[in-house]
Amino acid sequence: EVQLVESGGGLVQPGGSLRLSCAASGFTFSTYAMSWVRQAPGKGLEWVSSLSGSSGSTYYADSVKGRFTISRDNSKNTLYLQMNSLRAEDTAVYYCAKDPYSSSWYGIEYWGQGTLVTVSS
Amino acid sequence: QSVLTQPPSVSAAPGQKVTISCSGSSSNIGNNYVSWYQQLPGAAPKLLIYENNKRPSGIPDRFSGSKSGTSATLGITGLQTGDEADYYCGTWDSSLSAGKVFGGGTKLTVL
Repeated sequence: EVQLVESGGGLVQPGGSLRLSCAASGFTFSTYAMSWVRQAPGKGLEWVSSLSGSSGSTYYADSVKGRFTISRDNSKNTLYLQMNSLRAEDTAVYYCAKDPYSSSWYGIEYWGQGTLVTVSS
Repeated sequence: QSVLTQPPSVSAAPGQKVTISCSGSSSNIGNNYVSWYQQLPGAAPKLLIYENNKRPSGIPDRFSGSKSGTSATLGITGLQTGDEADYYCGTWDSSLSAGKVFGGGTKLTVL
């Protein structure tokens, strides 16, 4: 059974940093592309970033480019999202997601339960 | 403003059929697979349809997907009260800012 468990969310001041983690199990983690998707309170889904399985290619939404960094530790089956220079508009539930293939060009197969990030002074 | 366009809401009676549209462009729907996701209140999204019209195991055949040109459609037959949820379409966008894109979501109300 695929499991994705996010952690690291919380309250942070504007301009601050936070690192989200996603512990994955139930599949060969290194083989698959992984993504982060966020959902602001009462709003729709917004893709944040993806990391391909084999090539290591990374992709970012324009809204986070230059501020967020996606990475993975295949030895720990863990996906990360380093978030710097946080803004109020980054407040959202952040979902870790498993893509169906090694390439990032497809949809999302499994979603975690999400972790809430609140950016406020 | 979402890259993919969905109606904000649809409604139908139990047992009836409903369709939800998703409109895009040649850089996204026109040249990439479409997926559909269901998000029940207070829950994480779940995959309903992948690669335009395929259902993951465990998804009943009441749910169907299709794609034509730069548009896609989710169909739900035999509506049940448990189908009340937000539905999102998603795909890959191959433009300069390549990445996954989603529709704004459609709230389904089963009257």
